[in-house]
This record gives sequence, structure tokens and C-alpha cells, in this order.
Amino acid sequence: DQQVKQNSPSLSVQEGRISILNCDYTNSMFDYFLWYKKYPAEGPTFLISISSIKDKNEDGRFTVFLNKSAKHLSLHIVPSQPGDSAVYFCAGDYGQNFVFGPGTRLSVLP
Amino acid sequence: SQTIHQWPATLVQPVGSPLSLECTVEGTSNPNLYWYRQAAGRGLQLLFYSVGIGQISSEVPQNLSASRPQDRQFILSSKKLLLSDSGFYLCAWRSMDGGKINEQFFGPGTRLTVL
Repeated sequence: DQQVKQNSPSLSVQEGRISILNCDYTNSMFDYFLWYKKYPAEGPTFLISISSIKDKNEDGRFTVFLNKSAKHLSLHIVPSQPGDSAVYFCAGDYGQNFVFGPGTRLSVLP
Repeated sequence: SQTIHQWPATLVQPVGSPLSLECTVEGTSNPNLYWYRQAAGRGLQLLFYSVGIGQISSEVPQNLSASRPQDRQFILSSKKLLLSDSGFYLCAWRSMDGGKINEQFFGPGTRLTVL
């Protein structure tokens, strides 16, 4: 059972435009949601999080939106930069563990 | 500040050989510790997690095992590697302070190739 889904395996965006990465979940018990960014051959790094009682959290160029009724969250990157090219993982916080989605590969084209 | 170490960085092993990957954390006490695997083109699969010394929970049945002999040391092992064990292995730690979002911090990973 895939509790966290990222249905777009890849996304290409022009530099300077907005990148929108989507994530859907099925488990209503998640307390928090987190986004991680991963470069090849490196460990993921934490990007931004949101509590399940919030609907928006913003940190610089990164904004995460949560729609609990739709069980959907999205990460917006504005403006997109070539250095943002990486794999982005969405994760739900459930007790001791995180449940990660399969990831979306973002390519920002110069 | 906290740091997490994993070694080796890369490893090439024949099928049927044993495996031992080590992870150590510095600068924190009593962390939760995790082992993940990222197979080629796949997401992060949680293999094991530990909430304390000697306490191991397995998420996926397989020929791998984990041990936590010390508070900040987490070891991933196998007696006989399979081809399907190839992948990128990540160790992570997490502080379980109450009342706030506690993210996981990942190590640099170990690239394992089983031939």
C-alpha cells in the first residue's frame, strides 16, 4: 500500500519560472509533511515542512501548500534555478517513522 | 553540531559474500536511527529503524539484518548478498524532541554493487 504518492516521476521547467511538485497521501494520521531534496550519490537534505494543522508554509523561494480535504500537498519553487535540479521526495511523519514517496526528478533548464 | 558518518562510500561485492555497513552519529544522544535503500530509479525504502540500543524494527522481510550495539552506532549486515541487494544505502538519524517537527538527517550513503 503506497501511502505517499508522487505521480509525476519527472518535471522540466525553464529557469526563472515556477516549479510545482505534487504529492498525494492516503494516511490521515500523518502529523507533518516534509520535503527533501536529493542530488545523485548524496543523502537527501531537508527542505521544508508543514504541520497537518496548517495549509501553507513559506521559506524563501520554497512554499508548501497542504489541502487536507483532498489529501494533497504541493511544493512551489519560485523562481526556479538550475541548482534546483534534483530529485524531490515528499514524506509523511507517522510516529517514529517517515513514509517517503517515490520522488520526482526536477530538471531546471537554463 | 551533529554529524552522521557512513562507510564505506562505495562497495563492490560478489553474490554470496557477507556485508557490513556502519553508521555513526555525533553530537546527539539517544537518536532514532534508520537504514534506507534506494534502488536504481526507485524511492526511499525503509529497511530498519531503532529507537534505542538493541532495539531494532524491521520494515521489510529480506536477507539483511541490523544491529545497534551502541547509542550512536547502527550497523547493516548480511550473511549472503543477493544481486537484488544492489543499491544506495542511506543511514539517517532523528531527534525525538516533543512538540516540534523533527526532521531526519541523512548520511552521505553507501553505493553497493553486487556482482
